[in-house]
Amino acid sequence: DQQVKQNSPSLSVQEGRISILNCDYTNSMFDYFLWYKKYPAEGPTFLISISSIKDKNEDGRFTVFLNKSAKHLSLHIVPSQPGDSAVYFCAAIAYSGAGSYQLTFGKGTKLSVIP
Amino acid sequence: KAGVTQTPRYLIKTRGQQVTLSCSPISGHRSVSWYQQTPGQGLQFLFEYFSETQRNKGNFPGRFSGRQFSNSRSEMNVSTLELGDSALYLCASRLGTTNNSPLHFGNGTRLTVT
Repeated sequence: DQQVKQNSPSLSVQEGRISILNCDYTNSMFDYFLWYKKYPAEGPTFLISISSIKDKNEDGRFTVFLNKSAKHLSLHIVPSQPGDSAVYFCAAIAYSGAGSYQLTFGKGTKLSVIP
Repeated sequence: KAGVTQTPRYLIKTRGQQVTLSCSPISGHRSVSWYQQTPGQGLQFLFEYFSETQRNKGNFPGRFSGRQFSNSRSEMNVSTLELGDSALYLCASRLGTTNNSPLHFGNGTRLTVT
Protein backbone atom coordinates (compact mmCIF):
# COMPACT_ATOMS: atom_id res chain seq x y z
CA ASP A 1 0.00 0.00 0.00
CA GLN A 2 1.77 3.09 -1.26
CA GLN A 3 0.89 5.99 1.02
CA VAL A 4 2.83 8.63 -0.90
CA LYS A 5 2.43 8.63 -4.66
CA GLN A 6 4.28 10.50 -7.35
CA ASN A 7 2.40 9.45 -10.44
CA SER A 8 4.73 11.04 -12.98
CA PRO A 9 8.02 9.14 -13.20
CA SER A 10 9.49 11.86 -15.41
CA LEU A 11 8.96 15.45 -16.51
CA SER A 12 10.68 17.59 -19.15
CA VAL A 13 10.57 21.38 -19.03
CA GLN A 14 12.22 24.15 -21.03
CA GLU A 15 14.73 26.33 -19.23
CA GLY A 16 13.07 29.44 -17.83
CA ARG A 17 9.61 27.88 -17.67
CA ILE A 18 7.80 26.59 -14.60
CA SER A 19 8.27 23.03 -13.37
CA ILE A 20 5.39 21.52 -11.41
CA LEU A 21 5.94 18.27 -9.58
CA ASN A 22 2.97 16.59 -7.99
CA CYS A 23 2.49 14.29 -5.04
CA ASP A 24 -0.60 12.61 -3.58
CA TYR A 25 -0.95 10.92 -0.22
CA THR A 26 -3.49 8.67 1.38
CA ASN A 27 -2.67 8.74 5.09
CA SER A 28 -4.57 11.54 6.82
CA MET A 29 -2.17 11.25 9.78
CA PHE A 30 0.64 12.84 7.79
CA ASP A 31 1.25 16.28 9.26
CA TYR A 32 4.50 17.43 7.69
CA PHE A 33 5.71 17.20 4.12
CA LEU A 34 9.11 17.58 2.53
CA TRP A 35 10.71 17.60 -0.90
CA TYR A 36 14.14 16.15 -1.53
CA LYS A 37 16.30 16.44 -4.62
CA LYS A 38 18.71 13.75 -5.72
CA TYR A 39 21.53 13.85 -8.24
CA PRO A 40 23.04 10.58 -9.53
CA ALA A 41 25.66 9.06 -7.23
CA GLU A 42 24.68 11.40 -4.39
CA GLY A 43 22.29 11.12 -1.49
CA PRO A 44 19.03 13.11 -1.50
CA THR A 45 19.27 16.67 -0.22
CA PHE A 46 16.53 18.47 1.63
CA LEU A 47 14.87 21.16 -0.47
CA ILE A 48 11.77 22.56 1.18
CA SER A 49 9.07 21.53 3.64
CA ILE A 50 5.57 22.48 4.70
CA SER A 51 3.53 21.88 7.80
CA SER A 52 -0.04 20.64 7.49
CA ILE A 53 -1.29 23.85 9.10
CA LYS A 54 -0.08 25.86 6.10
CA ASP A 55 -1.05 25.77 2.45
CA LYS A 56 2.02 27.39 0.94
CA ASN A 57 5.72 27.77 1.67
CA GLU A 58 8.22 29.65 -0.47
CA ASP A 59 11.99 29.56 -0.62
CA GLY A 60 13.50 31.45 -3.51
CA ARG A 61 12.57 29.75 -6.78
CA PHE A 62 10.87 26.88 -4.93
CA THR A 63 7.29 26.94 -3.66
CA VAL A 64 5.38 24.05 -2.15
CA PHE A 65 1.58 24.06 -2.10
CA LEU A 66 -0.51 21.81 0.11
CA ASN A 67 -4.18 20.99 -0.46
CA LYS A 68 -5.19 18.96 2.58
CA SER A 69 -8.74 18.28 1.45
CA ALA A 70 -7.43 16.74 -1.77
CA LYS A 71 -4.44 15.15 -0.02
CA HIS A 72 -2.23 16.68 -2.65
CA LEU A 73 0.93 18.70 -2.67
CA SER A 74 2.99 20.18 -5.43
CA LEU A 75 6.42 21.69 -5.87
CA HIS A 76 6.78 24.64 -8.23
CA ILE A 77 10.16 25.69 -9.56
CA VAL A 78 10.24 29.08 -11.25
CA PRO A 79 12.21 29.72 -13.38
CA SER A 80 13.56 26.24 -14.08
CA GLN A 81 17.29 25.95 -14.65
CA PRO A 82 19.36 23.11 -16.16
CA GLY A 83 20.96 22.54 -12.75
CA ASP A 84 17.52 21.62 -11.42
CA SER A 85 17.63 18.42 -13.47
CA ALA A 86 17.47 15.68 -10.85
CA VAL A 87 15.10 13.20 -9.25
CA TYR A 88 12.67 14.83 -6.83
CA PHE A 89 11.22 12.84 -3.95
CA CYS A 90 8.14 13.82 -2.02
CA ALA A 91 8.10 12.69 1.62
CA ALA A 92 5.50 12.78 4.37
CA ILE A 93 5.84 12.44 8.12
CA ALA A 94 3.46 10.85 10.58
CA TYR A 95 3.79 10.08 14.25
CA SER A 96 4.85 6.46 14.63
CA GLY A 97 4.68 6.12 18.40
CA ALA A 98 7.28 6.16 21.19
CA GLY A 99 7.93 9.85 20.55
CA SER A 100 9.15 9.25 17.02
CA TYR A 101 8.06 10.43 13.61
CA GLN A 102 8.56 8.33 10.50
CA LEU A 103 9.13 9.56 6.95
CA THR A 104 7.51 7.88 3.98
CA PHE A 105 8.85 8.65 0.52
CA GLY A 106 7.28 8.59 -2.91
CA LYS A 107 9.02 6.85 -5.80
CA GLY A 108 10.37 10.07 -7.26
CA THR A 109 9.96 12.14 -10.39
CA LYS A 110 12.90 12.68 -12.72
CA LEU A 111 12.96 16.30 -13.87
CA SER A 112 14.87 17.23 -17.00
CA VAL A 113 15.30 20.92 -17.72
CA ILE A 114 16.17 21.45 -21.35
CA PRO A 115 18.46 24.41 -22.18
CA LYS B 1 30.52 20.50 9.77
CA ALA B 2 31.08 17.13 8.06
CA GLY B 3 28.08 15.49 6.47
CA VAL B 4 26.82 11.95 6.79
CA THR B 5 29.56 9.52 5.82
CA GLN B 6 28.88 6.05 4.50
CA THR B 7 31.43 3.34 3.88
CA PRO B 8 32.14 1.63 1.63
CA ARG B 9 30.82 3.48 -1.44
CA TYR B 10 30.67 0.34 -3.55
CA LEU B 11 30.45 -3.33 -2.68
CA ILE B 12 30.12 -6.51 -4.70
CA LYS B 13 29.03 -9.69 -2.96
CA THR B 14 27.74 -13.08 -4.02
CA ARG B 15 24.47 -14.72 -3.09
CA GLY B 16 24.45 -16.24 0.35
CA GLN B 17 27.13 -13.97 1.76
CA GLN B 18 26.53 -11.36 4.40
CA VAL B 19 27.47 -7.70 4.36
CA THR B 20 27.92 -4.88 6.87
CA LEU B 21 27.52 -1.24 5.91
CA SER B 22 28.67 1.64 8.06
CA CYS B 23 27.32 5.12 8.65
CA SER B 24 28.69 8.07 10.62
CA PRO B 25 26.04 10.74 11.23
CA ILE B 26 26.51 14.48 11.34
CA SER B 27 28.11 15.47 14.61
CA GLY B 28 25.43 16.01 17.24
CA HIS B 29 22.77 14.04 15.37
CA ARG B 30 21.44 11.19 17.46
CA SER B 31 18.95 9.70 15.03
CA VAL B 32 20.12 7.48 12.18
CA SER B 33 17.83 5.95 9.56
CA TRP B 34 18.51 3.51 6.76
CA TYR B 35 16.77 3.40 3.39
CA GLN B 36 16.97 1.11 0.38
CA GLN B 37 16.68 2.66 -3.06
CA THR B 38 15.97 0.52 -6.08
CA PRO B 39 14.86 1.62 -9.57
CA GLY B 40 11.11 2.12 -9.64
CA GLN B 41 10.68 1.65 -5.89
CA GLY B 42 11.94 4.93 -4.57
CA LEU B 43 13.25 5.13 -1.04
CA GLN B 44 12.03 2.34 1.19
CA PHE B 45 12.47 2.70 4.92
CA LEU B 46 14.48 0.01 6.69
CA PHE B 47 14.83 1.21 10.27
CA GLU B 48 15.62 4.15 12.50
CA TYR B 49 17.81 4.25 15.58
CA PHE B 50 17.93 6.85 18.29
CA SER B 51 20.25 6.68 21.28
CA GLU B 52 21.19 3.08 20.45
CA THR B 53 17.55 1.96 20.38
CA GLN B 54 15.59 0.94 17.32
CA ARG B 55 12.65 3.34 17.12
CA ASN B 56 10.97 2.27 13.89
CA LYS B 57 11.24 -0.64 11.50
CA GLY B 58 10.07 -0.97 7.90
CA ASN B 59 8.70 -4.02 6.13
CA PHE B 60 11.90 -5.87 5.44
CA PRO B 61 12.74 -9.48 6.34
CA GLY B 62 14.77 -10.34 9.41
CA ARG B 63 17.87 -10.75 7.23
CA PHE B 64 18.15 -6.97 7.46
CA SER B 65 19.35 -5.78 10.84
CA GLY B 66 21.08 -2.80 12.30
CA ARG B 67 22.54 -1.29 15.39
CA GLN B 68 23.69 2.03 16.72
CA PHE B 69 26.67 2.68 18.93
CA SER B 70 27.07 5.10 21.80
CA ASN B 71 28.78 7.62 19.50
CA SER B 72 25.67 7.50 17.24
CA ARG B 73 27.51 5.69 14.47
CA SER B 74 25.38 2.96 12.93
CA GLU B 75 25.86 -0.27 11.07
CA MET B 76 23.46 -2.19 8.88
CA ASN B 77 23.85 -5.90 8.25
CA VAL B 78 22.27 -8.04 5.56
CA SER B 79 22.68 -11.79 5.88
CA THR B 80 22.16 -14.51 3.29
CA LEU B 81 22.25 -12.03 0.43
CA GLU B 82 19.84 -12.41 -2.47
CA LEU B 83 20.07 -10.96 -5.97
CA GLY B 84 17.15 -8.67 -5.16
CA ASP B 85 19.16 -7.02 -2.39
CA SER B 86 21.19 -5.19 -5.02
CA ALA B 87 20.43 -1.56 -4.36
CA LEU B 88 21.69 1.77 -3.15
CA TYR B 89 21.59 1.81 0.65
CA LEU B 90 21.25 5.27 2.09
CA CYS B 91 21.88 6.36 5.63
CA ALA B 92 20.41 9.57 6.97
CA SER B 93 20.78 11.38 10.24
CA ARG B 94 18.74 14.05 11.94
CA LEU B 95 19.02 16.04 15.11
CA GLY B 96 15.92 14.60 16.75
CA THR B 97 12.93 12.53 15.85
CA THR B 98 10.33 15.29 15.78
CA ASN B 99 8.22 15.89 12.72
CA ASN B 100 10.06 19.00 11.58
CA SER B 101 13.55 17.56 11.85
CA PRO B 102 14.66 16.91 8.26
CA LEU B 103 16.86 14.02 7.27
CA HIS B 104 20.37 14.62 6.00
CA PHE B 105 21.53 11.84 3.71
CA GLY B 106 24.90 10.34 2.98
CA ASN B 107 25.90 9.44 -0.57
CA GLY B 108 25.02 5.81 -0.07
CA THR B 109 26.61 2.41 -0.50
CA ARG B 110 25.97 0.76 -3.84
CA LEU B 111 25.61 -2.97 -3.18
CA THR B 112 25.69 -5.41 -6.07
CA VAL B 113 24.85 -9.05 -5.42
CA THR B 114 25.92 -11.52 -8.09
